[in-house]
Amino acid sequence: VQLVESGGGLVRPGGSLRLSCAASGFTFSGHSMNWVRQAPGKGLEWISHIRSSGSAIYYADSVKGRFTTSRDNVDNTLYLQMNNLRDEDTAVYYCARGYYGSLSFFLDYWGQGTLVSVSS
Amino acid sequence: QSALTQPASVSGSPGQSITISCTGVSSDINHYKYVSWYQHPPGKAPKLIIYEVSNRPSGVSSRFSGSKSGNTASLTISGLQADDEADYYCSSDTIHNSVVFGGGTRLTVL
Repeated sequence: VQLVESGGGLVRPGGSLRLSCAASGFTFSGHSMNWVRQAPGKGLEWISHIRSSGSAIYYADSVKGRFTTSRDNVDNTLYLQMNNLRDEDTAVYYCARGYYGSLSFFLDYWGQGTLVSVSS
Repeated sequence: QSALTQPASVSGSPGQSITISCTGVSSDINHYKYVSWYQHPPGKAPKLIIYEVSNRPSGVSSRFSGSKSGNTASLTISGLQADDEADYYCSSDTIHNSVVFGGGTRLTVL
C-alpha cells in the first residue's frame, strides 16, 4: 500500500489550493479515504472522510463549506480542494486509508504528508 | 480540547515498559468505545499500531499492547527501544462518520 500526497505549497489567506493523494498497491475503489492534518506544534486533526464510491462525504466543522473532498476511482486518486484558506489551515495534510473492522472504523495506512502554508 | 485526553509526555529508559493512557472512552456505543493507537515519529507518516482496543496489525511488534478499563484505554510499550521515540495518539470513530484523536503523547526514550 502506498499513498503519496502532492499539491502543497505557500498560499495567501483567502486563496485556494488542491491537494492530491495518489494511491497504489490496493483496490482503491474498495476503501473509504480520509484527510487528516497536523498544524505546527499541534496534534492530529481529522478533517474529511469519503466513502469508497464517493456517495457520502463527511467534514469536520473547521473546514465545512470551504473544503471539498472528491475521488477518482479510475485514476486511484483522492483530492482535497481547499478554498478561502485561513492562517489556521497551515498544516501538514495527510491522506489515510479507512478500514471497517469488525467493531470500528480506523485509518490503517497513511501517506507522508504535504505541507500547506497560508501566509501573507 | 479533545474529547479523548492523553498525558502530554511520558519517558522511559531502554528496556523499561511505559504506559500511555487515553481517558474519555466509553462503553456506550454512541461514544468512543473502540480505541485505535497511532505512532507518529517526527517527520514521518503516522502508523497504526493498535486497533479495536487491543488488536495489533500484521507486522507490528508484540512489544506494543492495548487494553481498556472503564473509561480509560491504555497503550503499553515493553522493552523500550530508542526508535520508539515518537508521538502517540489514541483515536476513535464516532457515530457521525468522523474520527476523533486524543491530544497526543510525546514519548522520550532517555
